[in-house]
Amino acid sequence: QKEVEQNSGPLSVPEGAIASLNCTYSDRGSQSFFWYRQYSGKSPELIMSIYSNGDKEDGRFTAQLNKASQYVSLLIRDSQPSDSATYLCAVNIQDRGSTLGRLYFGRGTQLTVWP
Amino acid sequence: KAGVTQTPRYLIKTRGQQVTLSCSPISGHRSVSWYQQTPGQGLQFLFEYFSETQRNKGNFPGRFSGRQFSNSRSEMNVSTLELGDSALYLCASSHPRRTGPPYTQYFGPGTRLTVL
Repeated sequence: QKEVEQNSGPLSVPEGAIASLNCTYSDRGSQSFFWYRQYSGKSPELIMSIYSNGDKEDGRFTAQLNKASQYVSLLIRDSQPSDSATYLCAVNIQDRGSTLGRLYFGRGTQLTVWP
Repeated sequence: KAGVTQTPRYLIKTRGQQVTLSCSPISGHRSVSWYQQTPGQGLQFLFEYFSETQRNKGNFPGRFSGRQFSNSRSEMNVSTLELGDSALYLCASSHPRRTGPPYTQYFGPGTRLTVL
């Protein structure tokens, strides 16, 4: 089982709609969860972080975390063509036999917002 | 605060050569992680350095190595380059505690390496 899984998409939504991106992870002990946006040819840019169960809102973005279901999602309200990018989910997972955790990334979901 | 910087931004090498990439973290950040990103494999973790010590390592061959200096700047080296090493190499900095979940990682612009 892969540590972090995302639907690869592509996900296509019209301008003004809500885009919903999903991510599941394998480690019940994970404590930190992040969403990054990556435009084609660019590096990932952090857009949201969440640590507690529930919702966290920042502008048009809402991150939702359900640790019991090992599920984290990102909602983008009022989607704009400029939101077209690949969205990476990252989860901190502790490696076996180690006291350290590190970030594991999903493969990303490609989002296209059409005018 | 200035962001993470990486040099060079682009590199073209031939098989068998070696390459050194550099990363300067955000001021005050002491942890630097390196990733390889390819279309086929996504973002793959190479290693993490904290206070000049490698404290985590991914599943890459020994041709991939790194180090960190006392000013937190980091370099990674790839020896005996192979065609499959063509990728975007990303550096990310964070300011972690010694234990507990990692702080947020901030990425640099990356170095695009092409191996011919």
